Amino acid sequence: GIQVEQSPPDLILQEGANSTLRCNFSDSVNNLQWFHQNPWGQLINLFYIPSGTKQNGRLSATTVATERYSLLYISSSQTTDSGVYFCAVPPLRSGGSNYKLTFGKGTLLTVNP
Amino acid sequence: NAGVTQTPKFQVLKTGQSMTLQCAQDMNHEYMSWYRQDPGMGLRLIHYSVGAGITDQGEVPNGYNVSRSTTEDFPLRLLSAAPSQTSVYFCASSSPTGLNGYTFGSGTRLTVV
Repeated sequence: GIQVEQSPPDLILQEGANSTLRCNFSDSVNNLQWFHQNPWGQLINLFYIPSGTKQNGRLSATTVATERYSLLYISSSQTTDSGVYFCAVPPLRSGGSNYKLTFGKGTLLTVNP
Repeated sequence: NAGVTQTPKFQVLKTGQSMTLQCAQDMNHEYMSWYRQDPGMGLRLIHYSVGAGITDQGEVPNGYNVSRSTTEDFPLRLLSAAPSQTSVYFCASSSPTGLNGYTFGSGTRLTVV
């Protein structure tokens, strides 16, 4: 099946700093999703981004499907950004359908005040 | 609009006991799935469903059963609990196009002693 690798595994920032999280995948995909798991365990969908760039406030994501990677940018980080960030892709030949996803192991982000 | 509701939030079982984790969604999503999350492993798919009456196995299905009699409900049954099933379980739902991404429940923390 498809392999998903995220880097870095851990990241510690001071409040106000910017960061870039990377997600590499082993084959062509029709969509990719980014999730944030807060310190209380809740998983929140951040972006559904098959290709191109999307922005939502201080967060933005870019997927370059032809080169098999996606980037999540966090600008002016805040302590509430702490948690684990996951990327996930659907199976090959699914037409991008979301009936199941393969997740990376995540990036643990700690933002200190 | 409640989204995806999981019950219970916490459960302790003895080895060999059976139980059912409940999952319900009110968004009329066709797709529903169960994942387990273990430290350092990310999220792994247990079972999924693309519609009422249709289920299939994911990456780690052994020891679990599912059924989908209605669009709204997707219970996960542990047949004979084992310590290896100690984990956090997440239910998720999605529309086929996935334009709004996955919606996760708040999780069930299960301990098998």
